[in-house]
Amino acid sequence: ETGVTQSPTHLIKTRGQQVTLRCSSQSGHNTVSWYQQALGQGPQFIFQYYREEENGRGNFPPRFSGLQFPNYSSELNVNALELDDSALYLCASRDGRGASYGYTFGSGTRLTVV
Amino acid sequence: AQTVTQSQPEMSVQEAETVTLSCTYDTSENNYYLFWYKQPPSRQMILVIRQEAYKQQNATENRFSVNFQKAAKSFSLKISDSQLGDTAMYFCAFMKLSGGGADGLTFGKGTHLIIQP
Repeated sequence: ETGVTQSPTHLIKTRGQQVTLRCSSQSGHNTVSWYQQALGQGPQFIFQYYREEENGRGNFPPRFSGLQFPNYSSELNVNALELDDSALYLCASRDGRGASYGYTFGSGTRLTVV
Repeated sequence: AQTVTQSQPEMSVQEAETVTLSCTYDTSENNYYLFWYKQPPSRQMILVIRQEAYKQQNATENRFSVNFQKAAKSFSLKISDSQLGDTAMYFCAFMKLSGGGADGLTFGKGTHLIIQP
């Protein structure tokens, strides 16, 4: 079984630009969540999608948005990039057995905003 | 809102020793899950062990075990017979049961564990 894959692995953008990060969830996983991990910090929850609908959101502004597709892959879009958006963005997926079984994480996309 | 605190930014032990990483959390929830994740330099978060709050028995996974004290809101990780491959960042994480996990995981700031040869 394949794991969670994210693309690209690294990205450099200019302040004010828009960016799209992509995630392919593990086979059979219908729930995808996104996290932002600033340098030296723990990941912070951005939002979660279940069967193409956003069903949970952390304390992030609306310029952070997402999509989940019928094959359960997902995108994270960030508009009007700010310098503080520089971070590692992690995608995580889980199957329908329940959240207690934990999430499978990808290796992340390192976004640098200059 | 939940908070997770890891008070040890960095720990270093010799190979084969036992090490305990500390984690405390604050919540008004009664039903929740707790996790320890490992993040090596490859950046991928790897689930080490999980604990359901309603279970009094501490979880174990091979060399990894937890000491879960619900009343004290404490959830420490013990690694026995530590190996060089255990070197990584370790994150404690909380997830409430209500809402089916839709609020995601709340992580601590992590502990950098270094296993010395």
